[in-house]
Formats: sequence, structure tokens, C-alpha cells
Amino acid sequence: SAVISQKPSRDICQRGTSLTIQCQVDSQVTMMFWYRQQPGQSLTLIATANQGSEATYESGFVIDKFPISRPNLTFSTLTVSNMSPEDSSIYLCSVEAVEGTEAFFGQGTRLTVV
Amino acid sequence: KQEVTQIPAALSVPEGENLVLNCSFTDSAIYNLQWFRQDPGKGLTSLLLIQSSQREQTSGRLNASLDKSSGRSTLYIAASQPGDSATYLCAVKGSNDYKLSFGAGTTVTVRA
Repeated sequence: SAVISQKPSRDICQRGTSLTIQCQVDSQVTMMFWYRQQPGQSLTLIATANQGSEATYESGFVIDKFPISRPNLTFSTLTVSNMSPEDSSIYLCSVEAVEGTEAFFGQGTRLTVV
Repeated sequence: KQEVTQIPAALSVPEGENLVLNCSFTDSAIYNLQWFRQDPGKGLTSLLLIQSSQREQTSGRLNASLDKSSGRSTLYIAASQPGDSATYLCAVKGSNDYKLSFGAGTTVTVRA
């Protein structure tokens, strides 16, 4: 298994500002993923972040809005830029030790934009 | 595109009753299926992982079955306890793109 530390656990932000969410894993992993869970909804994949390459974004998500860094095999950040109330969600980091194996999740970042 | 459906959306049972949670998916080309638990406002905890070649997995009071050909999985929780109250999510990983597709979840309340 993998232990994932995600920071911050929650935040309340003003519209128009940006928030960077950190994800730290206790072991080296190949695949890291960022998900969004809007209120009352299930999880939607934002992007896949592999070390040493640009993140791959899903349809409806763009790099200018959700820039991602993956500087090494244990760490990644997701920035939510120029926030609006519609960005209020839980953002979750997920890892797989090897592609296609069991997925593990962090505790999430609950973001409220006012 | 993989569609994952979970029925029922919510379930309320008295303590001690067995729970049966259903998950169906439209594309049988899956790599694995995973069941998660989510407490309110929190992240996901992995409960069981079933590979596409497996029929079931068990962990303590939890048992999950998989019928890939019919596109169904069932999570059984025996002798439910109030601590089992949570939302249970089913996620299917495609064998072509290795991406997880999630169901909307079943919210379980176990009454003491």
C-alpha cells in the first residue's frame, strides 16, 4: 500500500486567487492522478502526472486552469488558478505503484471559493 | 465510454443486517474493479481490488464478486455495524486506457 499526505486539508479562498495543493507519497510511484469531486457528485479525473513529462489532461480540463508539477517520484502539486465558486470541490490525489494496479487516495483537499 | 452505475443510491439498515451493494458497468473490457469507502468530506479508502480474471475477493466481513461478462459486481458486508456508515464507491479500470471510471456511490446508514 501507499500512504499519501495531501495539503492543505481544506481552505476557503477568494474568487480570482489561486491555490496550490500538495501531494506527498511515502514511496516512489510511477503514476499520480488528480481528481475533482464536486458537491454530491462522484470523482472526475483531471489529469495524469508522470515524472519527467507533461501532465496529460482529460477533456474539459486545461493546463492554464489546473497547472500540475511532478518534480520527482514521490511528490506532485495541483494549482487551481483564477478560482470561481464553481471550483468549490474536493480535490484528491491518487497513486498507483505500477500502472494498472491498486489505486490509493489521499485524504483530499476541501476547497470553498467565496 | 465506460458508464458505471450503483444501485441503490442510499440504503438504511438496522445494525446486524447484511448489506448488499450493486455496481454495473457498460464495457466489459476491464483490467480490474475496486471498491472504496468514503467518509463525509474525506478521501477514499480502498476496500477490495478484484482483477478481471478473478470472480471474488474477501477481506474480513467484506466480500466482493465480479461477473465481467454481465458487467456486474456486488459488495457484501456481513453483520453491519454503525461504523460501516459511509459512502461506498465502485470504480472500474479500463483495459485499454487504464483509467478509473467511478460510480456515483451508495450512501449507507447503519442504525444502532
